[in-house]
Amino acid sequence: SQQGEEDPQALSIQEGENATMNCSYKTSINNLQWYRQNSGRGLVHLILIRSNEREKHSGRLRVTLDTSKKSSSLLITASRAADTASYFCATDANAGGTSYGKLTFGQGTILTVHP
Amino acid sequence: NAGVTQTPKFQVLKTGQSMTLQCAQDMNHEYMSWYRQDPGMGLRLIHYSVGAGITDQGEVPNGYNVSRSTTEDFPLRLLSAAPSQTSVYFCASSYSYRGYEQFFGPGTRLTVL
Repeated sequence: SQQGEEDPQALSIQEGENATMNCSYKTSINNLQWYRQNSGRGLVHLILIRSNEREKHSGRLRVTLDTSKKSSSLLITASRAADTASYFCATDANAGGTSYGKLTFGQGTILTVHP
Repeated sequence: NAGVTQTPKFQVLKTGQSMTLQCAQDMNHEYMSWYRQDPGMGLRLIHYSVGAGITDQGEVPNGYNVSRSTTEDFPLRLLSAAPSQTSVYFCASSYSYRGYEQFFGPGTRLTVL
């Protein structure tokens, strides 16, 4: 079963605008990760946020985590055409306190940034 | 470093045939895993390994076998291919299973006729 559900399924914006993608999940987690996938390619890791963290930044990326609402968001600021890709959240479920690295992926958000 | 490599890039099989998808990593990573990605869906975990000699099932293991005799290699075997196994297969590795980012290979696109 898919633990992570992403919203929206598709997002189309102009270059320079901000893009926000949301991820909801069902069970408690050790960490939540965001990945990017360019068309026909493998996934590239963006950010990992642990369950005891609330916000994390990496360049133009900002990730928030609300464990009480079981949700996370990924914000890309000042988007560029090169940001066009699919973005996935993946949860590392808390199985009795031990992380086994078994990531469960959402269905992804397709982001299109128009020049 | 080459990172995570997968071969072949593309493969067409007939129903009932068997084959092995190869995966290798040169980062001395402890953890390796196989995922499949179907159109419009996220990745689903097939099998994973937390170290040489140790493997376990993921979400969708039926029809697939794995082994991990070395740290570097983690092959995925399709025992008797079925059309439902048409998919893109990704191998990934991680420094440890304890909450680290995963590095993905470029994928193998498999079609079963």
